Amino acid sequence: SQTIHQWPATLVQPVGSPLSLECTVEGTSNPNLYWYRQAAGRGLQLLFYSVGIGQISSEVPQNLSASRPQDRQFILSSKKLLLSDSGFYLCAWSVKGGDGYTFGSGTRLTVV
Amino acid sequence: QKEVEQNSGPLSVPEGAIASLNCTYSDRVSQSFFWYRQYSGKSPELIMSIYSNGDKEDGRFTAQLNKASQYVSLLIRDSQPSDSATYLCAVNMWGNTPLVFGKGTRLSVIA
Repeated sequence: SQTIHQWPATLVQPVGSPLSLECTVEGTSNPNLYWYRQAAGRGLQLLFYSVGIGQISSEVPQNLSASRPQDRQFILSSKKLLLSDSGFYLCAWSVKGGDGYTFGSGTRLTVV
Repeated sequence: QKEVEQNSGPLSVPEGAIASLNCTYSDRVSQSFFWYRQYSGKSPELIMSIYSNGDKEDGRFTAQLNKASQYVSLLIRDSQPSDSATYLCAVNMWGNTPLVFGKGTRLSVIA
């Protein structure tokens, strides 16, 4: 069966520090991968998605970036965090062709 | 611009009643529709998917789709306090395009 791992679960980082969040999927090949952010009391904001290794689409221009170095690995990064980067970061995967997503357990990031 | 609209709630229903959650979408060619449940502090969990007009039932959950009216709904029969959560509607136009999520409806089932 397929599983998605996301870590860390909780992170407190100072303003201006770097960020690296990792997501891996097991039990499937060539998945679509997604990064979402959910601010407190808000909806899901799509940040990046990838349909294959090295293929990244950005939905919102900001100080975040994403990379997909391996088929089932998706990394979200920032060189310098802002207070507004605080939120609940969710990785998700899906098969090709418009099926529903499976979300990871999420990372709650607080920038102080 | 593709949009998915949901009433933010809270929708309060007594235990044992039917909860009705509604969602409208702007893109007429949308093909796949999903309902997610999100408990406070947790990640969304897929509970229903529907692809064609009509009803789809799974246990206490029924999804209803009307493509002519661009409307999808979720009915929860015999609502339980454990159903209290935020319910997200998501729509996919076609192929590999990302899902568009509504902002969710908060459901509160009162014991």
